Amino acid sequence: DGGITQSPKYLFRKEGQNVTLSCEQNLNHDAMYWYRQDPGQGLRLIYYSQIVNDFQKGDIAEGYSVSREKKESFPLTVTSAQKNPTAFYLCASSPTGYSYEQYFGPGTRLTVT
Amino acid sequence: GNSVTQMEGPVTLSEEAFLTINCTYTATGYPSLFWYVQYPGEGLQLLLKATKADDKGSNKGFEATYRKETTSFHLEKGSVQVSDSAVYFCALAGGSYIPTFGRGTSLIVHP
Repeated sequence: DGGITQSPKYLFRKEGQNVTLSCEQNLNHDAMYWYRQDPGQGLRLIYYSQIVNDFQKGDIAEGYSVSREKKESFPLTVTSAQKNPTAFYLCASSPTGYSYEQYFGPGTRLTVT
Repeated sequence: GNSVTQMEGPVTLSEEAFLTINCTYTATGYPSLFWYVQYPGEGLQLLLKATKADDKGSNKGFEATYRKETTSFHLEKGSVQVSDSAVYFCALAGGSYIPTFGRGTSLIVHP
């Protein structure tokens, strides 16, 4: 089955620790995205990548970092510099181009205490 | 820039009621329009889409028509079920690699 996987589903960390969220897709999509969703809120774009070894900041990139070494993978690191990291994180992919729909993973709920 | 405005929720209905969730957009050119659905604790799923003016997207009893003259893409369903309870997002893609999402509308359907 083609799709996007995110792991783990739930993640708990202590304040001050960096944590990496996994995102893998086997849809052969060039573009990948990371969003953050807070309770009752819409989606906010963190980073996106249109091609391997290239990525751009979204609206709320501060305190986050990404890499895109393989087409299939786009991991997100939440660093200790992120002031309020507890949230639901969604990864998505799409074919390259302006008009395509996005395919979303199941999400990772990160809780930092 | 592009923008999407959808009605605030929650929308609360009884089972078998008629549903409308309004969505209007601002965009240059001819974007594609989408409705996504998000069930609690899950990612978003594409519900339906339309790629040009007057197209009607439909899926699982939901419909939306791309109205360029009113820049709207309202979501409708003739008879909702409890299982339709979810958050619905209107979105557009066009002119940019970054799609634009509305803030989401929560639908609660009571038996």
